[in-house]
Amino acid sequence: QKEVEQNSGPLSVPEGAIASLNCTYSDRGSQSFFWYRQYSGKSPELIMFIYSNGDKEDGRFTAQLNKASQYVSLLIRDSQPSDSATYLCAVKLLNAGNMLTFGGGTRLMVKP
Amino acid sequence: DAGVTQSPTHLIKTRGQQVTLRCSPISGHKSVSWYQQVLGQGPQFIFQYYEKEERGRGNFPDRFSARQFPNYSSELNVNALLLGDSALYLCASSVGPGQGLGANEKLFFGSGTQLSVL
Repeated sequence: QKEVEQNSGPLSVPEGAIASLNCTYSDRGSQSFFWYRQYSGKSPELIMFIYSNGDKEDGRFTAQLNKASQYVSLLIRDSQPSDSATYLCAVKLLNAGNMLTFGGGTRLMVKP
Repeated sequence: DAGVTQSPTHLIKTRGQQVTLRCSPISGHKSVSWYQQVLGQGPQFIFQYYEKEERGRGNFPDRFSARQFPNYSSELNVNALLLGDSALYLCASSVGPGQGLGANEKLFFGSGTQLSVL
């Protein structure tokens, strides 16, 4: 079983819709959770990080964490074609330094 | 302010050769980490250095080594290259060592070095 799992997609949504990206993780000791966006041929860019159960909102992005279900998600409201990219979920154990464990990523396509 | 800078951007080597990749962190960042990203997969942790000391090592063979200099820049060395070492090598920096849950532990990635082993 992979430590961090994401549906590889592609997830296709129309422009203006809500895109919902999901991630599950296996290690219950995971404490920090990150969402990175990666455009083709580019490096990962940090979008959101979350530590506590519940929702965290930043502009059009909302991260949701449920530690009991070992589940983290990213919602993108009013999706734009420029949001088309691969979204990487990463988790980290407490005091694990910068050793993030990444999922394989979900490719999002926003169609005009 | 400049972000994380890596050099070279692209590199072509043959099997058995050795390669050195370089990274300069964001100004004020003292921690540098190295990740390998194979096409179609998420990045995989190789090393972390903080204040010139190794703070973590991923599941990579001893052919991979790294070091951090007094100015916090870093080098990743890979010896005896294999075809399977072909990947995007990413350097990431953070202010602190990555302990705890503070915003200073956010990790910022450079644009990477694309290594092709023929």
